Amino acid sequence: KAGVTQTPRYLIKTRGQQVTLSCSPISGHRSVSWYQQTPGQGLQFLFEYFSETQRNKGNFPGRFSGRQFSNSRSEMNVSTLELGDSALYLCASSSHGTVVQETQYFGPGTRLLVL
Amino acid sequence: AQSVSQHNHHVILSEAASLELGCNYSYGGTVNLFWYVQYPGQHLQLLLKYFSGDPLVKGIKGFEAEFIKSKFSFNLRKPSVQWSDTAEYFCAVNAGRGSTLGRLYFGRGTQLTVWP
Repeated sequence: KAGVTQTPRYLIKTRGQQVTLSCSPISGHRSVSWYQQTPGQGLQFLFEYFSETQRNKGNFPGRFSGRQFSNSRSEMNVSTLELGDSALYLCASSSHGTVVQETQYFGPGTRLLVL
Repeated sequence: AQSVSQHNHHVILSEAASLELGCNYSYGGTVNLFWYVQYPGQHLQLLLKYFSGDPLVKGIKGFEAEFIKSKFSFNLRKPSVQWSDTAEYFCAVNAGRGSTLGRLYFGRGTQLTVWP
C-alpha cells in the first residue's frame, strides 16, 4: 500500500503570494489532518478533515484554509504569505480518525520557504 | 488548551544504556497519549499509544511508556538502546473520550543520539 504522499516536496515563495499544498492519503483513508512544524513552535495542528468536512481547526489565522475532495485528497492554502509561514507542512491520514482502533500515518511533508 | 512538555531537548547515550524520556501534559480530563518517532530522513511514525486500560503500554522496537495519571506524565522507556534508535521523539496528546485521532498536541521533541 502506498503511503501518504505530499506535493510538492519543496517550495519557495515570496511574501504576499499564496500557495496550495496537496496531500493524498493512504488508499481507503478518509481522515486527513494537517500540521505545521517550525523550529520555534514545534508541531502545531492546523485542521482535520473527514469525508469532505472540516472536523477540527487549530489556532491559525484565516489566511490558512483547507479542503478535502470526494476522493479524500486534501489541499491546504495559505494566502498572503508571511516570512513566519516558512515551515514544514505535514499531512497525516487515518481510516476514520478514531483513537482506539487506528494509527495516524504521516507523509514526508512539504517544506515551504517564504522569502 | 492542552499542552505537552518534553523536558529534554537532546539526550546522548552510549549503546546498551537505558533510556527514559520525560513527557508531561496539561489537561484535566481523559486523555489519549502517543509517542511518535522520526528517524533521520524518514516520516513521523507511531511508537505506541495509550487510550485506556493498563497504564504500561508496549510499543514497537522494545519501547514502552507508563501513564501516571496523578503526575500527568507519559514517560518513554527502553532498557537498552541501540545506535539505530538515534532519532527525534515526540510526545503527543489529544482530549479523551469520543475525540478524534486527527487533532494532536505535540511536545517540542527530544533528539536522541546513541553512540556505538
